[in-house]
Amino acid sequence: KAGVTQTPRYLIKTRGQQVTLSCSPISGHRSVSWYQQTPGQGLQFLFEYFSETQRNKGNFPGRFSGRQFSNSRSEMNVSTLELGDSALYLCASYDGGSMNTEAFFGQGTRLTVV
Amino acid sequence: GENVEQHPSTLSVQEGDSAVIKCTYSDSASNYFPWYKQELGKGPQLIIDIRSNVGEKKDQRIAVTLNKTAKHFSLHITETQPEDSAVYFCAAARSNTGNQFYFGTGTSLTVIP
Repeated sequence: KAGVTQTPRYLIKTRGQQVTLSCSPISGHRSVSWYQQTPGQGLQFLFEYFSETQRNKGNFPGRFSGRQFSNSRSEMNVSTLELGDSALYLCASYDGGSMNTEAFFGQGTRLTVV
Repeated sequence: GENVEQHPSTLSVQEGDSAVIKCTYSDSASNYFPWYKQELGKGPQLIIDIRSNVGEKKDQRIAVTLNKTAKHFSLHITETQPEDSAVYFCAAARSNTGNQFYFGTGTSLTVIP
């Protein structure tokens, strides 16, 4: 069974630009969450999607948005990039719609904003 | 919202010794507590989890204990091996809010051969 795939693995963007990250969950998983990981803050929850609907949202500005497609693949978008957005963005895939089950993480997308 | 604190931030032990990592949480409604291990260049991987109706859970060299009254839970690794070296994260979640996990800030464990 293939794991969670995140693309691209690395990205360098300039302040003010926008970026789109992609996540393909494990086959059959319908829930996807996104986390931002930084050295000082650890993993912070961005949002969760289940069956194409946003189920939860963390405390991030509106510049951060996401969506989920009918095949459960998810994308997150960050507009008007700031230096502080530099981080590892992790996607987690969950089995079905169950609450509080194992999160399977991808390897992440390392975003650097210059 | 939930606040999870994790200590220590770094931990070095000799191979064969035990390692203990502690976390506290603030939301009494949290009832699911997973522990994740993250190796360099990889995403976090679940190593053990515990639910609020259980006080202790063990899986070979790894154990987790939960004290709901005090709102703290701990990870215990016995007979540590060099391959246990990694960053460990605790997390807390409510069962009625989907898969929104609140993570601690991580513990970098180094096992010295």
